[in-house]
Amino acid sequence: AQSVTQLDSHVSVSEGTPVLLRCNYSSSYSPSLFWYVQHPNKGLQLLLKYTSAATLVKGINGFEAEFKKSETSFHLTKPSAHMSDAAEYFCVVTPLTGTASKLTFGTGTRLQVTL
Amino acid sequence: SQTIHQWPATLVQPVGSPLSLECTVEGTSNPNLYWYRQAAGRGLQLLFYSVGIGQISSEVPQNLSASRPQDRQFILSSKKLLLSDSGFYLCAWREKLETQYFGPGTRLLVL
Repeated sequence: AQSVTQLDSHVSVSEGTPVLLRCNYSSSYSPSLFWYVQHPNKGLQLLLKYTSAATLVKGINGFEAEFKKSETSFHLTKPSAHMSDAAEYFCVVTPLTGTASKLTFGTGTRLQVTL
Repeated sequence: SQTIHQWPATLVQPVGSPLSLECTVEGTSNPNLYWYRQAAGRGLQLLFYSVGIGQISSEVPQNLSASRPQDRQFILSSKKLLLSDSGFYLCAWREKLETQYFGPGTRLLVL
């Protein structure tokens, strides 16, 4: 079994300040972990993924996330927020192996960026 | 490169009418295909997945069905829509152990 908890449903930051979106997971298997971003009325775009290689993962648009097994966390960070970062972010877990490899989604964190 | 298409982009249907949403993938062979629904203000719910032609697994009992008539085509259907079927429907594909990639989505409003 696997589950994902996104600890904040809404996060508001000022442009130019750091972003932290928190995610905790549980998994019976070695997990793969992902962050996706969804802009209004759009599909989901992959930001970054962890698949048992380096624990610090760099993604697109300056985002990165660190896999911490001891804390079962995979928090998403960015040093300086931009207005275009305003969107909904989903943390996702899936078993590292398996034929269907179904994803389990968190409930999402809406990021608001203000001037 | 691989691309995924969904149509229509938006759809307004009366209660009790049928539904057919189509998803096609280009540039890959024998992908795993997935249908998700995203209700307003909620996360994504996996509805169906398919590991091959004619092979459909349903995740939740509901008013919907899925079919995979061709390797890269995945169809979501309903004989009679309910109000609760409204939402944003996303198709996704995955090749072997790689990442899932999502289509642009179809917004369905049932009135």
